[in-house]
Order: sequence, then C-alpha cells, then structure tokens
Amino acid sequence: AQSVTQLDSQVPVFEEAPVELRCNYSSSVSVYLFWYVQYPNQGLQLLLKYLSGSTLVKGINGFEAEFNKSQTSFHLRKPSVHISDTAEYFCAVSEVIQGAQKLVFGQGTRLTINP
Amino acid sequence: DTAVSQTPKYLVTQMGNDKSIKCEQNLGHDTMYWYKQDSKKFLKIMFSYNNKELIINETVPNRFSPKSPDKAHLNLHINSLELGDSAVYFCASSQGTGPRGIQYFGPGTRLLVL
Repeated sequence: AQSVTQLDSQVPVFEEAPVELRCNYSSSVSVYLFWYVQYPNQGLQLLLKYLSGSTLVKGINGFEAEFNKSQTSFHLRKPSVHISDTAEYFCAVSEVIQGAQKLVFGQGTRLTINP
Repeated sequence: DTAVSQTPKYLVTQMGNDKSIKCEQNLGHDTMYWYKQDSKKFLKIMFSYNNKELIINETVPNRFSPKSPDKAHLNLHINSLELGDSAVYFCASSQGTGPRGIQYFGPGTRLLVL
C-alpha cells in the first residue's frame, strides 16, 4: 500500500513571503499525486495534480508543485502568500484497490499567514 | 450550484443513538465515497461505491452502513453511536474508478457524540 508523509505539521510565514510545503510518497511504478486545500470549516478543494508529463505542475491560486521521482517528493510552493492562503493543505497519492480508486492522504500541513 | 452537498452540516447526539448523513452530487459522476476526518485532521477513506455497488470497505465497524439508492446519492447510517465516532465526515464523488480520477468533496458533516 502507498503512503504519504507531510514533513511539517505547521508552517507559519509572513504575508508576501514564499512558502514550500513538503510531501514525500512511497515509491511505486505509477504515481498519481494530488494537493488539496481545506479552508476553515470547509470541504477539500483540489489545488493541483500530477498524472504524467511535465514534472512542474501549476494549480489554482498561484500554487505550483514539482514531481521529483528520484527523491519521491511532490513539494508545493507559492512565491508570495496572502492572508487568504491560511488553510490546511493535504498531499495525497492515488492507488487502485479492489478495482477502485483510493486516495491516501498525508497528515496535513497547517499554513498560517501572519501580517 | 453546489456540486457535492451533505446534510446535515452539524449533528450533535447522545451515545447509543442512530443517525444518518445524506450526500448528493449533481456532477453526473458514477463513483462516490465517504471519508472520516478525525480530531487531528487525518483523512481516511471509509467506503466507495461505483454505480450503486460497494467496491471499497475499509474495515469500518458494522455499525456503519452506507446505502446508495442511485448514482447521485450516497447516505451513511450509523447505529449505536460511540464517543469515538465524533469526527467530520466527508462525502466525495468522481467519474470512473481509475487512479487518475479527481475527487470532488462535499462541505462535511461535523458529528459530535456526547
């Protein structure tokens, strides 16, 4: 079974600073990776995904992530954060179990933006 | 237009009671899921249905019984609620069952068992 590790449980940054949220996955032949964001008291919203092709993936709200197969990583980055980016961020890997898709989530990283 | 909706949004109940959570999606997807998010924000899949058929059951206690009356609905009934059932329950949907599918999540149902 696949697994995902988010290396930081909390990341505080100042507004307009760059940020990187780290994610490592267990190695597999085919890897499909996702980043979801959860704003306070809301459901999860897809930020971006890596399915194949270019290793640099751009998502919504100015976020991007880089798939690195040799380091089994899929770190999320944003060059300049805003107060509204305060949320919980989840990295997930997709696998097929019993003929069905299963998302395996990391523990989440709480991003807090300070003014 | 809400893509994946859940009712109720909040549920406070006593231990031992039976309760249901409803989920509906208007995306035309054929696969639906239930996830549980615990107090530490950890998300874990509970069930997955494809075309009204159960395809994933992640060793969830028998007190939890999902039901899918049609492809657009997936309900979760919980018998004899326990304190440990307190969590946020998310419904999600996707098209197909392959690993490239994008899952769309509902807003969650916050269950508190007293």
